[in-house]
Amino acid sequence: DVKVTQSSRYLVKRTGEKVFLECVQDMDHENMFWYRQDPGLGLRLIYFSYDVKMKEKGDIPEGYSVSREKKERFSLILESASTNQTSMYLCASSLGTGVLGTEAFFGQGTRLTVV
Amino acid sequence: AQSVTQLDSQVPVFEEAPVELRCNYSSSVSVYLFWYVQYPNQGLQLLLKYLSGSTLVKGINGFEAEFNKSQTSFHLRKPSVHISDTAEYFCAVSDENYGQNFVFGPGTRLSVLP
Repeated sequence: DVKVTQSSRYLVKRTGEKVFLECVQDMDHENMFWYRQDPGLGLRLIYFSYDVKMKEKGDIPEGYSVSREKKERFSLILESASTNQTSMYLCASSLGTGVLGTEAFFGQGTRLTVV
Repeated sequence: AQSVTQLDSQVPVFEEAPVELRCNYSSSVSVYLFWYVQYPNQGLQLLLKYLSGSTLVKGINGFEAEFNKSQTSFHLRKPSVHISDTAEYFCAVSDENYGQNFVFGPGTRLSVLP
């Protein structure tokens, strides 16, 4: 089974802090994604990556950056956390290049609270 | 651009009753469609997917969905629900133009009542 692991289930950070959310997948997937989930809005794509050191902006990239130095690891960085970034963050991976129609596999989520 | 509509934000239903969760999408090309379930404080788990072929797709936990191209719909059904089906359900779409990304609907919260 594919396993996508997010480093923290719950985080509480202060406004202005730099925050790192880590995600690791163990199935050699090429694609990795970061979403945020808010009530009534579903999942919104922040960033995705289709290869090591490659990244593309999603629908809501402002205030975030990402890093993918190794194929299995995709990090989301909040440069200066703000209260409006309080949310559930979900990491996902999928098979990748040339394989349309493959599903995404999700981690357990990180519930981030910024105070 | 793609979009996914889930018309019902909340669906309450009694145990052992049938349920249908509605999903409509907009896309002008061939699509791949997915239903995911999210239990409280968990990530999303795939219920079923439509890639091609038969329009009736069977998934896990007794769920099934029917792809209707003319109505651009992919409604999820279960003939008899259990308390354990209480969760949030998300419809998602990807297509050959959108590459390998997914667009998710806003979700439907299914509450199964005893």
